[in-house]
Amino acid sequence: GAVVSQHPSWVICKSGTSVKIECRSLDFQATTMFWYRQFPKQSLMLMATSNEGSKATYEQGVEKDKFLINHASLTLSTLTVTSAHPEDSSFYICSVPGTSDYNEQFFGPGTRLTVL
Amino acid sequence: GNSVTQMEGPVTLSEEAFLTINCTYTATGYPSLFWYVQYPGEGLQLLLKATKADDKGSNKGFEATYRKETTSFHLEKGSVQVSDSAVYFCAPGGSNYKLTFGKGTLLTVNP
Repeated sequence: GAVVSQHPSWVICKSGTSVKIECRSLDFQATTMFWYRQFPKQSLMLMATSNEGSKATYEQGVEKDKFLINHASLTLSTLTVTSAHPEDSSFYICSVPGTSDYNEQFFGPGTRLTVL
Repeated sequence: GNSVTQMEGPVTLSEEAFLTINCTYTATGYPSLFWYVQYPGEGLQLLLKATKADDKGSNKGFEATYRKETTSFHLEKGSVQVSDSAVYFCAPGGSNYKLTFGKGTLLTVNP
């Protein structure tokens, strides 16, 4: 399966600043990546589908101007949380779908964002 | 869209006890079904999967059978270990490769 990394693993920022999170597919070219958000002790919520070379597809209720996604290459997708506020504090996780079964996803280790 | 109802935790067991975590779902058609596991401080990992009715997925002593009639995919293990302590997520696949995750079940196994 695909090996997926995320950077940084954790970040603390001040309210009002922007934070960029990287998701890399290390051994697999991914035209599609997914971004999830996980609240403490809760499930994963799909935020958006990142598409290489085109605009991301956002889930209902997710602000596209707040959470900017750029899928610049087949191995890199970035999520930028703009003008972060404390309520944006969360665990952000990306994933890459497999090739043999597109529903099987390979997840990055996640990024813990804390906004002060 | 798909939905998942997963047994709520937390579940606390002693080592070598039998484990069942119930999962039922609603979905269009017959999606692939997955159990993912999240160990403390780590990302999600695929535990097992089943792609069609009556298939049994298995891995690390865990098993789950795709039951089309009851739209269920219950996770079982005959003898849990301390190292099995983690959060377990049931997830049916869907269109456009999207997974729908259950709320997760925290399992704690005590020595």
